[in-house]
Amino acid sequence: DADVTQTPRNRITKTGKRIMLECSQTKGHDRMYWYRQDPGLGLRLIYYSFDVKDINKGEISDGYSVSRQAQAKFSLSLESAIPNQTALYFCATSALDGLGETQYFGPGTRLLVL
Amino acid sequence: QKEVEQDPGPLSVPEGAIVSLNCTYSNSAFQYFMWYRQYSRKGPELLMYTYSSGNKEDGRFTAQVDKSSKYISLFIRDSQPSDSATYLCAMSNAGGTSYGKLTFGQGTILTVHP
Repeated sequence: DADVTQTPRNRITKTGKRIMLECSQTKGHDRMYWYRQDPGLGLRLIYYSFDVKDINKGEISDGYSVSRQAQAKFSLSLESAIPNQTALYFCATSALDGLGETQYFGPGTRLLVL
Repeated sequence: QKEVEQDPGPLSVPEGAIVSLNCTYSNSAFQYFMWYRQYSRKGPELLMYTYSSGNKEDGRFTAQVDKSSKYISLFIRDSQPSDSATYLCAMSNAGGTSYGKLTFGQGTILTVHP
């Protein structure tokens, strides 16, 4: 089984709708992240959480919110989806493995906002 | 100006070619340098991790860091079709036993054709 899972894997929604993307992990890591990936722009950090009580904005948090329901669960919400939020969304966890910080990514959610 | 610049390509090479992927950066605080590989419809996975300047070799892959020029490279020898993926450089101002701020490049799309 995958260590970091995301649901749904694909989603089509309409402008103005509220949607939630979910992430679960079995790695036991405290740190979790949400990124979006766009062609030519790479990975951009939306929100990150160092533990259940610690949530921080990333570089592009406007229009998004998150919830850390438990150590293993971190959800991303789009309160009122707009077309420029069409992107590939990744959840990740991280840990120090002796060499440094390694991030472990989920398989991604492909979102299309019409 | 982005902190990390990476040519997005795409790069197409014949099987057996030597591939050179590069990133430049502007933040002199970066000390730890990573390459992630992302196959189509998958999340990125850590490929190699290097510290400070110098070379690191792992099979057909060599990572090179030149801190004086703020330039890092990934070389792939005897490239194979299975190397076809997006390669993302990533950099951190901390490593070992400390977390830091991780910054990704835009990613280079590589295709190795038979």
